[in-house]
Amino acid sequence: GENVEQHPSTLSVQEGDSAVIKCTYSDSASNYFPWYKQELGKGPQLIIDIRSNVGEKKDQRIAVTLNKTAKHFSLHITETQPEDSAVYFCAANGGSYIPTFGRGTSLIVHP
Amino acid sequence: DAGVIQSPRHEVTEMGQEVTLRCKPISGHDYLFWYRQTMMRGLELLIYFNNNVPIDDSGMPEDRFSAKMPNASFSTLKIQPSEPRDSAVYFCASSSLGRDTEAFFGQGTRLTVV
Repeated sequence: GENVEQHPSTLSVQEGDSAVIKCTYSDSASNYFPWYKQELGKGPQLIIDIRSNVGEKKDQRIAVTLNKTAKHFSLHITETQPEDSAVYFCAANGGSYIPTFGRGTSLIVHP
Repeated sequence: DAGVIQSPRHEVTEMGQEVTLRCKPISGHDYLFWYRQTMMRGLELLIYFNNNVPIDDSGMPEDRFSAKMPNASFSTLKIQPSEPRDSAVYFCASSSLGRDTEAFFGQGTRLTVV
């Protein structure tokens, strides 16, 4: 099955800095890579996704990049704000087309 | 739509007791997933259903865990008997088509077994 590795597990930045979270996956059949944000006491919520026919996607301050050859993808958050503080999960759908999640990154943005 | 609805939000029970977690998926969604979240193991997929039929339960940790989906609008996850190591947050999620699409998560049930 699919195996998704996510780094770092914790990321601490100052407000206004950029944050980058990286993930690798193992199953070359994966073609859908969503990113979820989980705020305290809530369930994960999709913030952006990318499909395998695209190398990069942007939505305001967040962007994702995908390198299918190397089997890695990244989440980039620019101009971080305190409300960006949360746990972020990457996922890949693998050959079963059901998402396998990374272990999560706790992002802390200091005012 | 109100989103995926889970109940209860919090459950505290004694070891050995039966626990039932409930989920109402988003209307029209044909995939339903049960996940368990712990610090040690992150988000683990326990089981998923397609059109009310269990497709893959390989993530269910032990025979003490069982899940049902009697109709398109309701699913349960039961633990009998419960053990302290079952303490975790349990999420239900639903999606349309399953593959390549967003999964919508409920608020979760925080289970504590003492």
